[in-house]
Amino acid sequence: AQKITQTQPGMFVQEKEAVTLDCTYDTSDQSYGLFWYKQPSSGEMIFLIYQGSYDEQNATEGRYSLNFQKARKSANLVISASQLGDSAMYFCAMRPNSGYSTLTFGKGTMLLVSP
Amino acid sequence: NAGVMQNPRHLVRRRGQEARLRCSPMKGHSHVYWYRQLPEEGLKFMVYLQKENIIDESGMPKERFSAEFPKEGPSILRIQQVVRGDSAAYFCASSPPGAGQGYEQYFGPGTRLTVT
Repeated sequence: AQKITQTQPGMFVQEKEAVTLDCTYDTSDQSYGLFWYKQPSSGEMIFLIYQGSYDEQNATEGRYSLNFQKARKSANLVISASQLGDSAMYFCAMRPNSGYSTLTFGKGTMLLVSP
Repeated sequence: NAGVMQNPRHLVRRRGQEARLRCSPMKGHSHVYWYRQLPEEGLKFMVYLQKENIIDESGMPKERFSAEFPKEGPSILRIQQVVRGDSAAYFCASSPPGAGQGYEQYFGPGTRLTVT
């Protein structure tokens, strides 16, 4: 079984600053994928970034980067140069690469970006 | 190229009624997943279907809930005799045939079910 832990229920950041959202995971699988999704107040789930467990480099997508520390089982999301539109819920999720492609999600972190 | 479609977007049902939620996967996608998001929670897996087959329903409540993905038409998540605890957002995701990596799951906008 997989477990995702997001310990920050809420985070505040000022516009243009960087922010790190924490995510730790627990799995017995050797091969897996880690994901971050954004859920704005409108409710849809927006895929942000993916990291494979065997990827040697940290994933980056524009202002998003994933700080992957495999030994610590952490996959923190870093958002650089925060924008007001980044205010949303952020979910960390994982999926083992064996078996079926179902995702296990954390409880999420609410990010509020202030001017 | 339309994304994953879900309808209705909002559904209100009285206790005891039936709720039917529809999901049309992206064109060419044959794998469908249903997830439920309770208030203040992350998404929880319910069921994974391929055309005409239920592959994994380990996350589905044993009673009142059923899902299908017929050869033609959308996938349907059906909740019979709804109770207040069924109030949640229900998300559908789809992926193409042979998808081995989870980043190929594409989410629909969700259906918000409210039971009064």
